[in-house]
Amino acid sequence: GAVVSQHPSWVICKSGTSVKIECRSLDFQATTMFWYRQFPKQSLMLMATSNEGSKATYEQGVEKDKFLINHASLTLSTLTVTSAHPEDSSFYICSVWGGGQGFSPQHFGDGTRLSIL
Amino acid sequence: DQQVKQNSPSLSVQEGRISILNCDYTNSMFDYFLWYKKYPAEGPTFLISISSIKDKNEDGRFTVFLNKSAKHLSLHIVPSQPGDSAVYFCAASEGAQKLVFGQGTRLTINP
Repeated sequence: GAVVSQHPSWVICKSGTSVKIECRSLDFQATTMFWYRQFPKQSLMLMATSNEGSKATYEQGVEKDKFLINHASLTLSTLTVTSAHPEDSSFYICSVWGGGQGFSPQHFGDGTRLSIL
Repeated sequence: DQQVKQNSPSLSVQEGRISILNCDYTNSMFDYFLWYKKYPAEGPTFLISISSIKDKNEDGRFTVFLNKSAKHLSLHIVPSQPGDSAVYFCAASEGAQKLVFGQGTRLTINP
């Protein structure tokens, strides 16, 4: 499967800070990248779908001005949590999908644990 | 509205025996179903998938069964090994893109 690198793996910062998380597809070109969030003891919830060179599509209830997504190349997508607050503390994880015809699974990075003090 | 449900938060199985993880869904438009395995502090790893037009898919020790009439799928692991201890997520999608995940089942394999 695809190798996905996510950075940083863990970040602690003060309330009001903006935090950028990078997701890189290391061994194949990812047409589409997805960003998920997982709160403790809950499932992974899709936040947004990011297609290279176009604006991200956000799921209902996800603030696009708060969670800025940039997918400038086929190997890199970034998620910026702007003016983060304690309620934004969560596990953020990206996945990549190669697209094309037929089925192919999404492959995930190792996630970023974000703690806002 | 939880479209994909894993009703067992945990499961404990003896090494060498069969592990059966269950998943139910409500959306009849789902056309692909996937199982992912997750270790702590790591991302989910893809295990096996099944198309809605099939009822069984096998890959080594892992077999997924799909019962469309019951909107139910299960993952069988046989024989279970200590390295199989992890959290297993069931996921479903329409058109192989957006995934909807279940809550996960923590599988523990006992020696």
